[in-house]
Amino acid sequence: EAGVAQSPRYKIIEKRQSVAFWCNPISGHATLYWYQQILGQGPKLLIQFQNNGVVDDSQLPKDRFSAERLKGVDSTLKIQPAKLEDSAVYLCASSLELAGEQFFGPGTRLTVL
Amino acid sequence: AQSVTQLGSHVSVSEGALVLLRCNYSSSVPPYLFWYVQYPNQGLQLLLKYTSAATLVKGINGFEAEFKKSETSFHLTKPSAHMSDAAEYFCAVSLTGGGNKLTFGTGTQLKVEL
Repeated sequence: EAGVAQSPRYKIIEKRQSVAFWCNPISGHATLYWYQQILGQGPKLLIQFQNNGVVDDSQLPKDRFSAERLKGVDSTLKIQPAKLEDSAVYLCASSLELAGEQFFGPGTRLTVL
Repeated sequence: AQSVTQLGSHVSVSEGALVLLRCNYSSSVPPYLFWYVQYPNQGLQLLLKYTSAATLVKGINGFEAEFKKSETSFHLTKPSAHMSDAAEYFCAVSLTGGGNKLTFGTGTQLKVEL
């Protein structure tokens, strides 16, 4: 069974630029999560989808971050414009159902200069 | 609200020695607790989870953790460290047994020396 796929694996941009990350969950997984992991900290949930609907986006900085999962399968997370403090690893995870075990992708490491 | 605190951001042990990684939790309701491992450049992998069925939980790779309500702890142990155990370990708490809405600790980097 293929795991959670994320791309790109690494991205370097300058502040005020825009960036997008892509995630393809495990086939059949209805729930998808995006986490932000800043160096030295644990992952922090940004947004959770159930199929193509948002379950929780309470910690998503909506003035600059956006995410979508239009067809209920893959998802994109966008930052526009990026700030220095957005430098982090962005992890995508998926689970079969809303309260199911989460399986994590390898993450995208973002560096904002 | 729930949270976890991991004591010691870096732990170093000799190969063959006992591994002990500490985690204390705070939760207003009975918690569900998890340990994840993260190898370099990889995503998190579930090691084990406590969902109130048994206080001593056995996980993968020889790890186990004991839920102690009186101490609000869920420490991770392994009797004998192996070089391949070197990784970062995260304790997490959730309101649901499946692991929905995970709140992670800050992680403990485990180093295993010869």
